[in-house]
Amino acid sequence: AQSVTQLGSHVSVSEGALVLLRCNYSSSVPPYLFWYVQYPNQGLQLLLKYTSAATLVKGINGFEAEFKKSETSFHLTKPSAHMSDAAEYFCAVSGGGKSTFGDGTTLTVKP
Amino acid sequence: DAGVIQSPRHEVTEMGQEVTLRCKPISGHNSLFWYRQTMMRGLELLIYFNNNVPIDDSGMPEDRFSAKMPNASFSTLKIQPSEPRDSAVYFCASSPRTGNDYGYTFGSGTRLTVV
Repeated sequence: AQSVTQLGSHVSVSEGALVLLRCNYSSSVPPYLFWYVQYPNQGLQLLLKYTSAATLVKGINGFEAEFKKSETSFHLTKPSAHMSDAAEYFCAVSGGGKSTFGDGTTLTVKP
Repeated sequence: DAGVIQSPRHEVTEMGQEVTLRCKPISGHNSLFWYRQTMMRGLELLIYFNNNVPIDDSGMPEDRFSAKMPNASFSTLKIQPSEPRDSAVYFCASSPRTGNDYGYTFGSGTRLTVV
Protein backbone atom coordinates (compact mmCIF):
# COMPACT_ATOMS: atom_id res chain seq x y z
CA ALA A 1 0.00 0.00 0.00
CA GLN A 2 1.19 3.49 -0.77
CA SER A 3 0.96 6.39 1.61
CA VAL A 4 2.26 9.88 2.30
CA THR A 5 2.98 11.60 5.56
CA GLN A 6 2.97 15.36 5.83
CA LEU A 7 5.12 16.62 8.66
CA GLY A 8 3.50 19.52 10.46
CA SER A 9 -0.20 20.24 10.24
CA HIS A 10 0.43 23.99 10.52
CA VAL A 11 3.28 26.08 9.18
CA SER A 12 3.57 29.83 9.68
CA VAL A 13 5.99 32.07 7.80
CA SER A 14 6.46 35.78 7.30
CA GLU A 15 5.76 37.38 3.96
CA GLY A 16 8.90 37.14 1.84
CA ALA A 17 10.33 34.20 3.79
CA LEU A 18 11.08 30.73 2.48
CA VAL A 19 8.20 28.28 2.43
CA LEU A 20 9.03 24.63 3.16
CA LEU A 21 6.27 22.03 3.44
CA ARG A 22 7.39 18.49 4.12
CA CYS A 23 6.11 15.25 2.63
CA ASN A 24 7.49 11.73 2.95
CA TYR A 25 6.15 8.85 0.95
CA SER A 26 5.97 5.10 1.23
CA SER A 27 5.79 3.08 -1.96
CA SER A 28 6.93 -0.33 -3.13
CA VAL A 29 7.28 0.87 -6.70
CA PRO A 30 8.60 4.12 -8.23
CA PRO A 31 6.03 6.61 -7.06
CA TYR A 32 4.01 9.24 -8.80
CA LEU A 33 3.79 12.19 -6.42
CA PHE A 34 1.70 15.33 -6.43
CA TRP A 35 1.14 18.54 -4.51
CA TYR A 36 -2.25 20.22 -4.42
CA VAL A 37 -3.44 23.49 -2.89
CA GLN A 38 -6.87 24.13 -1.42
CA TYR A 39 -8.18 27.62 -0.76
CA PRO A 40 -11.13 28.09 1.61
CA ASN A 41 -14.41 26.78 0.25
CA GLN A 42 -12.79 25.52 -2.93
CA GLY A 43 -11.70 22.23 -4.40
CA LEU A 44 -8.09 21.10 -4.62
CA GLN A 45 -5.92 22.50 -7.40
CA LEU A 46 -2.91 20.70 -8.81
CA LEU A 47 0.36 22.56 -8.10
CA LEU A 48 2.88 20.14 -9.55
CA LYS A 49 3.64 16.49 -10.12
CA TYR A 50 6.60 14.13 -10.19
CA THR A 51 6.47 11.33 -12.74
CA SER A 52 10.16 10.33 -12.85
CA ALA A 53 11.19 12.67 -15.66
CA ALA A 54 13.19 15.06 -13.46
CA THR A 55 13.84 15.14 -9.73
CA LEU A 56 13.26 18.90 -9.43
CA VAL A 57 9.75 19.77 -10.47
CA LYS A 58 8.48 23.28 -11.03
CA GLY A 59 4.84 24.12 -10.60
CA ILE A 60 2.48 27.04 -10.64
CA ASN A 61 2.68 30.14 -8.46
CA GLY A 62 6.46 29.82 -8.02
CA PHE A 63 6.37 26.53 -6.14
CA GLU A 64 8.76 23.68 -6.74
CA ALA A 65 9.44 20.28 -5.21
CA GLU A 66 12.41 17.96 -5.21
CA PHE A 67 12.11 14.19 -5.30
CA LYS A 68 14.75 12.50 -3.12
CA LYS A 69 14.60 8.74 -3.33
CA SER A 70 17.23 8.21 -0.64
CA GLU A 71 15.12 10.20 1.81
CA THR A 72 11.74 9.09 0.43
CA SER A 73 10.79 12.75 0.43
CA PHE A 74 9.01 15.20 -1.85
CA HIS A 75 9.14 18.52 -0.04
CA LEU A 76 7.44 21.61 -1.44
CA THR A 77 9.28 24.94 -1.44
CA LYS A 78 8.85 28.53 -2.51
CA PRO A 79 11.66 31.08 -2.11
CA SER A 80 9.47 33.99 -1.04
CA ALA A 81 6.04 33.66 0.52
CA HIS A 82 3.19 35.89 -0.55
CA MET A 83 0.04 36.60 1.39
CA SER A 84 -1.95 34.87 -1.35
CA ASP A 85 -0.11 31.59 -0.61
CA ALA A 86 -2.09 31.15 2.61
CA ALA A 87 -4.03 27.92 2.07
CA GLU A 88 -4.00 24.22 2.84
CA TYR A 89 -1.54 22.05 0.94
CA PHE A 90 -1.86 18.34 0.27
CA CYS A 91 0.75 15.85 -0.82
CA ALA A 92 -0.53 12.78 -2.70
CA VAL A 93 0.83 9.52 -4.08
CA SER A 94 -0.76 7.71 -6.99
CA GLY A 95 -0.89 3.96 -7.54
CA GLY A 96 -3.35 1.42 -8.86
CA GLY A 97 -5.12 4.16 -10.75
CA LYS A 98 -6.02 6.21 -7.69
CA SER A 99 -4.44 8.80 -5.41
CA THR A 100 -3.99 8.74 -1.65
CA PHE A 101 -3.72 12.10 0.06
CA GLY A 102 -1.87 13.23 3.14
CA ASP A 103 -3.59 14.97 6.02
CA GLY A 104 -2.70 18.41 4.74
CA THR A 105 -0.59 21.32 5.99
CA THR A 106 -2.15 24.70 6.62
CA LEU A 107 0.16 27.52 5.60
CA THR A 108 -0.25 30.88 7.32
CA VAL A 109 1.60 33.92 5.95
CA LYS A 110 2.15 36.79 8.36
CA PRO A 111 2.51 40.35 7.07
CA ASP B 1 -13.47 24.65 -20.26
CA ALA B 2 -15.88 24.98 -17.33
CA GLY B 3 -13.99 22.51 -15.18
CA VAL B 4 -15.61 19.84 -13.04
CA ILE B 5 -19.10 20.96 -12.09
CA GLN B 6 -20.77 19.79 -8.91
CA SER B 7 -24.27 20.47 -7.67
CA PRO B 8 -25.61 21.51 -5.31
CA ARG B 9 -22.90 23.54 -3.58
CA HIS B 10 -24.66 23.24 -0.26
CA GLU B 11 -27.23 20.74 0.95
CA VAL B 12 -28.96 20.67 4.31
CA THR B 13 -31.20 17.73 4.95
CA GLU B 14 -32.87 15.91 7.80
CA MET B 15 -31.69 12.57 9.03
CA GLY B 16 -33.33 9.75 7.13
CA GLN B 17 -33.81 11.69 3.91
CA GLU B 18 -32.31 10.70 0.58
CA VAL B 19 -29.53 12.91 -0.75
CA THR B 20 -28.24 12.98 -4.33
CA LEU B 21 -25.02 14.73 -5.27
CA ARG B 22 -24.23 15.40 -8.91
CA CYS B 23 -21.05 15.75 -10.93
CA LYS B 24 -20.20 16.66 -14.51
CA PRO B 25 -16.55 15.83 -15.32
CA ILE B 26 -14.40 17.62 -17.84
CA SER B 27 -15.25 16.58 -21.36
CA GLY B 28 -12.83 13.91 -22.58
CA HIS B 29 -11.70 12.84 -19.15
CA ASN B 30 -11.99 9.08 -18.73
CA SER B 31 -11.62 8.72 -14.98
CA LEU B 32 -13.93 10.08 -12.28
CA PHE B 33 -13.43 10.00 -8.54
CA TRP B 34 -15.64 10.75 -5.53
CA TYR B 35 -13.87 11.89 -2.36
CA ARG B 36 -15.19 12.88 1.05
CA GLN B 37 -13.40 15.45 3.22
CA THR B 38 -13.85 15.78 6.97
CA MET B 39 -11.73 17.28 9.71
CA MET B 40 -11.39 13.94 11.45
CA ARG B 41 -10.61 11.70 8.49
CA GLY B 42 -9.20 14.05 5.88
CA LEU B 43 -9.72 13.17 2.21
CA GLU B 44 -11.14 9.70 1.68
CA LEU B 45 -11.64 8.06 -1.71
CA LEU B 46 -15.15 6.65 -1.88
CA ILE B 47 -15.29 5.23 -5.40
CA TYR B 48 -13.79 5.73 -8.84
CA PHE B 49 -14.84 5.00 -12.40
CA ASN B 50 -12.85 4.40 -15.57
CA ASN B 51 -14.78 4.81 -18.83
CA ASN B 52 -18.04 4.90 -16.83
CA VAL B 53 -17.34 1.55 -15.14
CA PRO B 54 -16.92 1.41 -11.33
CA ILE B 55 -13.43 0.09 -10.61
CA ASP B 56 -13.01 0.35 -6.85
CA ASP B 57 -15.80 1.05 -4.39
CA SER B 58 -13.99 -0.22 -1.32
CA GLY B 59 -14.12 3.24 0.21
CA MET B 60 -17.90 3.46 0.20
CA PRO B 61 -18.76 3.50 3.91
CA GLU B 62 -21.78 1.22 3.82
CA ASP B 63 -24.77 0.15 1.78
CA ARG B 64 -26.45 3.49 2.33
CA PHE B 65 -24.04 4.95 -0.22
CA SER B 66 -24.31 4.26 -3.93
CA ALA B 67 -22.78 5.85 -7.02
CA LYS B 68 -23.56 5.68 -10.70
CA MET B 69 -22.08 6.95 -13.92
CA PRO B 70 -24.67 6.41 -16.66
CA ASN B 71 -22.58 8.21 -19.27
CA ALA B 72 -19.27 9.97 -19.72
CA SER B 73 -20.63 13.36 -18.73
CA PHE B 74 -22.57 12.64 -15.54
CA SER B 75 -22.22 10.89 -12.21
CA THR B 76 -24.27 10.77 -9.03
CA LEU B 77 -23.53 9.88 -5.44
CA LYS B 78 -26.60 8.94 -3.43
CA ILE B 79 -27.02 8.52 0.30
CA GLN B 80 -30.18 6.81 1.51
CA PRO B 81 -31.01 7.17 4.32
CA SER B 82 -28.73 10.00 5.38
CA GLU B 83 -27.28 10.25 8.90
CA PRO B 84 -25.63 13.13 10.78
CA ARG B 85 -22.22 11.40 10.52
CA ASP B 86 -22.47 11.76 6.73
CA SER B 87 -21.99 15.51 7.12
CA ALA B 88 -18.88 16.41 5.11
CA VAL B 89 -17.69 18.06 1.92
CA TYR B 90 -17.99 15.71 -1.02
CA PHE B 91 -15.68 16.28 -3.98
CA CYS B 92 -15.81 14.95 -7.47
CA ALA B 93 -12.61 14.90 -9.51
CA SER B 94 -11.75 13.82 -13.02
CA SER B 95 -8.56 12.82 -14.81
CA PRO B 96 -7.74 12.63 -18.53
CA ARG B 97 -7.07 8.92 -18.57
CA THR B 98 -6.59 5.79 -16.55
CA GLY B 99 -3.19 5.67 -14.93
CA ASN B 100 -1.07 7.10 -12.18
CA ASP B 101 0.76 9.91 -13.92
CA TYR B 102 -2.06 12.39 -14.36
CA GLY B 103 -3.25 14.62 -11.61
CA TYR B 104 -6.87 15.36 -10.91
CA THR B 105 -9.12 18.33 -11.56
CA PHE B 106 -11.45 18.80 -8.63
CA GLY B 107 -14.88 20.36 -8.51
CA SER B 108 -15.76 22.95 -5.90
CA GLY B 109 -17.46 20.36 -3.73
CA THR B 110 -20.85 19.87 -2.12
CA ARG B 111 -21.07 20.72 1.57
CA LEU B 112 -23.59 18.30 3.07
CA THR B 113 -25.12 18.90 6.47
CA VAL B 114 -27.43 16.26 7.90
CA VAL B 115 -29.41 17.43 10.93
